[in-house]
Amino acid sequence: GAVVSQHPSWVICKSGTSVKIECRSLDFQATTMFWYRQFPKQSLMLMATSNEGSKATYEQGVEKDKFLINHASLTLSTLTVTSAHPEDSSFYICSASNRGRNTEAFFGQGTRLTVV
Amino acid sequence: AQRVTQPEKLLSVFKGAPVELKCNYSYSGSPELFWYVQYSRQRLQLLLRHISRESIKGFTADLNKGETSFHLKKPFAQEEDSAMYYCALLGFYQTGANNLFFGTGTRLTVIP
Repeated sequence: GAVVSQHPSWVICKSGTSVKIECRSLDFQATTMFWYRQFPKQSLMLMATSNEGSKATYEQGVEKDKFLINHASLTLSTLTVTSAHPEDSSFYICSASNRGRNTEAFFGQGTRLTVV
Repeated sequence: AQRVTQPEKLLSVFKGAPVELKCNYSYSGSPELFWYVQYSRQRLQLLLRHISRESIKGFTADLNKGETSFHLKKPFAQEEDSAMYYCALLGFYQTGANNLFFGTGTRLTVIP
């Protein structure tokens, strides 16, 4: 299957700083990328969907100014956690798919964010 | 609003026994449903999708619109089937946006 790479795999940052997480599709054009957050022993919570070249669609309860998503190219989407706080510590996962219905989503390996 | 429900957080079966992981969904439109699996220390990966009506690794899942269910079944469980299984729903909107929602997952343990 196709490969989706997330970077970094883990990051520790100080409270108040911003962190950028990259999600790249290595061998296919990802017209849609999904960003999830996963708390320990819980399921993936969809944060937002981004389509290349347009603004991301955020799920209810997710602050768009807090979690900035950019999907400027067909192979790269970024999630920036702005002014991070300890409660933002979590596991963030991206997935990418091609345009159209009934398309498989390929997942990145996830990024463990710890805010201290 | 869409919702995916997996009622069982944990499921243990003996090797060779049948296994069924339950999934129910709520969606106003015509859903597309998937089962994703996550083996230990690996990333999520697609197991099967309802459109394909295929059998992967002996697993099958039938979409029952009347019962709004998409249960995952395998007649004879194997030890290598032990993993976390997520049911997922892909929803489409007139705005062109879409989203991929996941259930809470079921951890399957196959006992030797």
